[in-house]
Amino acid sequence: DAKTTQPPSMDCAEGRAANLPCNHSTISGNEYVYWYRQIHSQGPQYIIHGLKNNETNEMASLIITEDRKSSTLILPHATLRDTAVYYCIVRVGGNQGGKLIFGQGTELSVKP
Amino acid sequence: ETGVTQTPRHLVMGMTNKKSLKCEQHLGHNAMYWYKQSAKKPLELMFVYSLEERVENNSVPSRFSPECPNSSHLFLHLHTLQPEDSALYLCASSQVGRLNTEAFFGQGTRLTVV
Repeated sequence: DAKTTQPPSMDCAEGRAANLPCNHSTISGNEYVYWYRQIHSQGPQYIIHGLKNNETNEMASLIITEDRKSSTLILPHATLRDTAVYYCIVRVGGNQGGKLIFGQGTELSVKP
Repeated sequence: ETGVTQTPRHLVMGMTNKKSLKCEQHLGHNAMYWYKQSAKKPLELMFVYSLEERVENNSVPSRFSPECPNSSHLFLHLHTLQPEDSALYLCASSQVGRLNTEAFFGQGTRLTVV
């Protein structure tokens, strides 16, 4: 599975957009980019995923570069409840068990 | 509510005890996972079950024994644990195949070994 690199921490002002970067330069053609977040001591929560096109849902937008070597998760209007550790994961498709390998993630602090 | 339920939420056990963690998913998924999260560390994948068969065991000590009796249930049997096994144990499920779905996680079992 490809490895991802994320900044260990970021701050964001409440109401502003939070842009969380992720590098995955060794991603292969059948690997998807997934984003999860974990609020303190809870189970990780799925946010969004994509293969090569940009994606948007009610929680966030995912921007994947054309070469697929990096991506950015955008929380358009961050709130205090968005304070969490955000994990960027690449996950292979198909029948290989679909495992998710978590890295250190980015600890996002949303401040008033 | 994610559709993945773990019990108990908290467990304190002695090093000579035997206990089991239970995970149940109501999502119709065909794959289930156990993760361990020690304090201030990322999640570590322990076991993967796909179509009720164990497809991955990430060098987990034998004092942890998983069981998957059917596609909806997953157990983690614990025996003679050590204090360093104290952690948050998380279960997840997903649908795997030609197009994998996202994985959903339970709220975890906070285990303390004394």
